[in-house]
Amino acid sequence: DGGITQSPKYLFRKEGQNVTLSCEQNLNHDAMYWYRQDPGQGLRLIYYSQIVNDFQKGDIAEGYSVSREKKESFPLTVTSAQKNPTAFYLCASSEVGVGTDTQYFGPGTRLTVL
Amino acid sequence: AQSVTQLDSHVSVSEGTPVLLRCNYSSSYSPSLFWYVQHPNKGLQLLLKYTSAATLVKGINGFEAEFKKSETSFHLTKPSAHMSDAAEYFCVVSRREYGNKLVFGAGTILRVKS
Repeated sequence: DGGITQSPKYLFRKEGQNVTLSCEQNLNHDAMYWYRQDPGQGLRLIYYSQIVNDFQKGDIAEGYSVSREKKESFPLTVTSAQKNPTAFYLCASSEVGVGTDTQYFGPGTRLTVL
Repeated sequence: AQSVTQLDSHVSVSEGTPVLLRCNYSSSYSPSLFWYVQHPNKGLQLLLKYTSAATLVKGINGFEAEFKKSETSFHLTKPSAHMSDAAEYFCVVSRREYGNKLVFGAGTILRVKS
């Protein structure tokens, strides 16, 4: 069954702690993305990667870090430098090339900072 | 630069009546345009995509959207609302000059009354 999985579904963090969100896909897509969703603001791009061992900052990368060691995996670390990390985080993937801009989304992780 | 404006933050309809969710876009290029749907605490699901092949695009669950270049609009419609259509809907444009990254509208929450 092909798709994107994110874990955990809910995550609680104390202030000052780093936390890592998992994203795995078995669609054989080259590109993967991380978005943050806040009420009334749509989705904002944090980081994206179009190939293994390479990634680029999106519009709101400060306080976040990523790695792309395997094609199917793109974990996101929310560091203590992120001032307001409570949000819904969505991972997506797509093919790369002309006409391949459709992104497919995982179910999301809701992060709450206590 | 691409941008997307969803003209209504909330829309309320009665079950069995038509649905209209409005979206205007701006783009320097011939755009790819999408509508995604998100049910509470879930990921985003692709409803439909416009890629210039036809101005009227049919999607899943009876939804369709019409691309009107002269009005820079891409409104989403459905002839008869169902209770299961209650969700948040996002209009999205592809940023081709930035590797097909997506720009999201702020979202429209659709409420369906019985």
